[in-house]
Amino acid sequence: AQSVTQLDSQVPVFEEAPVELRCNYSSSVSVYLFWYVQYPNQGLQLLLKYLSGSTLVESINGFEAEFNKSQTSFHLRKPSVHISDTAEYFCAVSARNTGGFKTIFGAGTRLFVKA
Amino acid sequence: DVKVTQSSRYLVKRTGEKVFLECVQDMDHENMFWYRQDPGLGLRLIYFSYDVKMKEKGDIPEGYSVSREKKERFSLILESASTNQTSMYLCASSLPGQASYEQYFGPGTRLTVT
Repeated sequence: AQSVTQLDSQVPVFEEAPVELRCNYSSSVSVYLFWYVQYPNQGLQLLLKYLSGSTLVESINGFEAEFNKSQTSFHLRKPSVHISDTAEYFCAVSARNTGGFKTIFGAGTRLFVKA
Repeated sequence: DVKVTQSSRYLVKRTGEKVFLECVQDMDHENMFWYRQDPGLGLRLIYFSYDVKMKEKGDIPEGYSVSREKKERFSLILESASTNQTSMYLCASSLPGQASYEQYFGPGTRLTVT
């Protein structure tokens, strides 16, 4: 069975500081990994994803995540955050199962960027 | 620009009412999903559909049903709303068959049952 753990429910950080949002997963099969972002009063939108190849993936707005198979982690990082990064971030794991495929979402991490 | 739309952003209903939440996507996606989102619990899958008139139960189907009469439309039905169904409801769609395909989400419907 798959599971996803986001280790921090809330992360407050000052503007221009670095941030890391942690995500660990468990799965008995190969997985695809995603980070979604939800801005206030909006639905989720894809931030970045790992499918295969290079273990470091980047988004267009400066976030990056590294797939670490040995530690079963997919932590999200940004070297310098902006006020506009304030949002909730969800890690998701997708894998094949007997019925097709299944996607599991973590509980979410609220990022608060303070001026 | 891809779009998933939901019929209402905010909805207030009384206990025992029948509630319909509508979702429409314009991407010709086969897969459609209904989730509920609660603080600290993330997204939990209620039902999904991989084709017209096909549906599969998710992790928390109790108290809900769904309808998919057309490819672009997926409806969530609360037969008799209860206060514990107060939540944010998110609809999503995706291409079929691959675990690697991301989901596209609507803006959500915040339902309050009083």
